[in-house]
Amino acid sequence: LAKTTQPISMDSYEGQEVNITCSHNNIATNDYITWYQQFPSQGPRFIIQGYKTKVTNEVASLFIPADRKSSTLSLPRVSLSDTAVYYCLGDGSSNTGKLIFGQGTTLQVKP
Amino acid sequence: GAGVSQSPSNKVTEKGKDVELRCDPISGHTALYWYRQRLGQGLEFLIYFQGNSAPDKSGLPSDRFSAERTGESVSTLTIQRTQQEDSAVYLCASSPIIVGQLGTEAFFGQGTRLTVV
Repeated sequence: LAKTTQPISMDSYEGQEVNITCSHNNIATNDYITWYQQFPSQGPRFIIQGYKTKVTNEVASLFIPADRKSSTLSLPRVSLSDTAVYYCLGDGSSNTGKLIFGQGTTLQVKP
Repeated sequence: GAGVSQSPSNKVTEKGKDVELRCDPISGHTALYWYRQRLGQGLEFLIYFQGNSAPDKSGLPSDRFSAERTGESVSTLTIQRTQQEDSAVYLCASSPIIVGQLGTEAFFGQGTRLTVV
């Protein structure tokens, strides 16, 4: 199965911008790239989604290069409450129906 | 309903017993997904439904695991003869259509924490 690759963990400090990059070399033409956030003892929740170029919402920005083989989630001015696991998805689920999560990136924001 | 609802929220069972976990998806959502998440681990995909059909059951860990969905609504995940390695949080998600197509998203429930003693 195709899969995504992202760093296992990252540390940051409050007020900094955090960028998490994900590789999805086998992304299918019909697939969107989606990022989810998971807090302890909760189910994941949708953060942002894009197909190409740049997408921005009230929570984050998503940068996708022209070849779509990677994406970067950007969290501006993180706070302690942004400490969570971040998952990127972009693995062919539009063809298989399987929504596969990788191990995610554990972001620890320090004061 | 307002969101995906799972019950029970917590379940403690003795090894060898059968358990049934329930998921009520958001009304009208065609796709439904089940995951297992062990402590400190990522989400392990188990099975998905498109309507009442499960096109691919290969993600189920063993033949002790089964799932069904009725009325394109509620789904149950059944684990027979539970083992200690089945202890995990079981998460359910639903989406209007198969995720990945046309840029839709999945909505998750809070999960059922299963402990096998």
